[in-house]
Amino acid sequence: GDSVTQMEGPVTLSEEAFLTINCTYTATGYPSLFWYVQYPGEGLQLLLKATKADDKGSNKGFEATYRKETTSFHLEKGSVQVSDSAVYFCALSDSLGYSTLTFGKGTMLLVSP
Amino acid sequence: GAVVSQHPSRVICKSGTSVKIECRSLDFQATTMFWYRQFPKQSLMLMATSNEGSKATYEQGVEKDKFLINHASLTLSTLTVTSAHPEDSSFYICSASALEEYSYEQYFGPGTRLTVT
Repeated sequence: GDSVTQMEGPVTLSEEAFLTINCTYTATGYPSLFWYVQYPGEGLQLLLKATKADDKGSNKGFEATYRKETTSFHLEKGSVQVSDSAVYFCALSDSLGYSTLTFGKGTMLLVSP
Repeated sequence: GAVVSQHPSRVICKSGTSVKIECRSLDFQATTMFWYRQFPKQSLMLMATSNEGSKATYEQGVEKDKFLINHASLTLSTLTVTSAHPEDSSFYICSASALEEYSYEQYFGPGTRLTVT
């Protein structure tokens, strides 16, 4: 079955540091890939997505590129802020017609001033 | 953008009572809604998939008689935790599916924190 593997956290960074959170996946067909963010006590918000190979999703300074050859969708940001502290989930959705999501276990990011 | 609401955001109930959680898609119609459960510091666990006008499909290990799901309209799904016990305490999140360009996407509600005493 489909699966998503993310690096374990917490990831602890100082403000303005470079961020990478690794995500790899296993899936049949051509999945869509997502990054969601969850702030403390809240639900999930879609951060960015990519629907086909070589697509780059970007939002709020975050970006991730759909790499089919390495089955990866790593999340990056050039300069993190304290307000970016949250849990980040990588997820995939199987192909068209049904949107069941498979989530990674989540990676907590802690950014200090 | 698509907005999903949940009510209540927090609820405390006594052991043995039942609790109903509502999930609404506010500005779109959702033929499919999903219910997740999230334990502290863990990922989301899909409990069931709910299609409007039909019975929900439960994931393996989820008791359908314990977690009653109703999806009576294209904008409302409810989860009722029956005869709640302390081990049912958790964060419950719903999502609603909408067609975006060429694929379906899930939009998540803000979650409901259930505490059973």
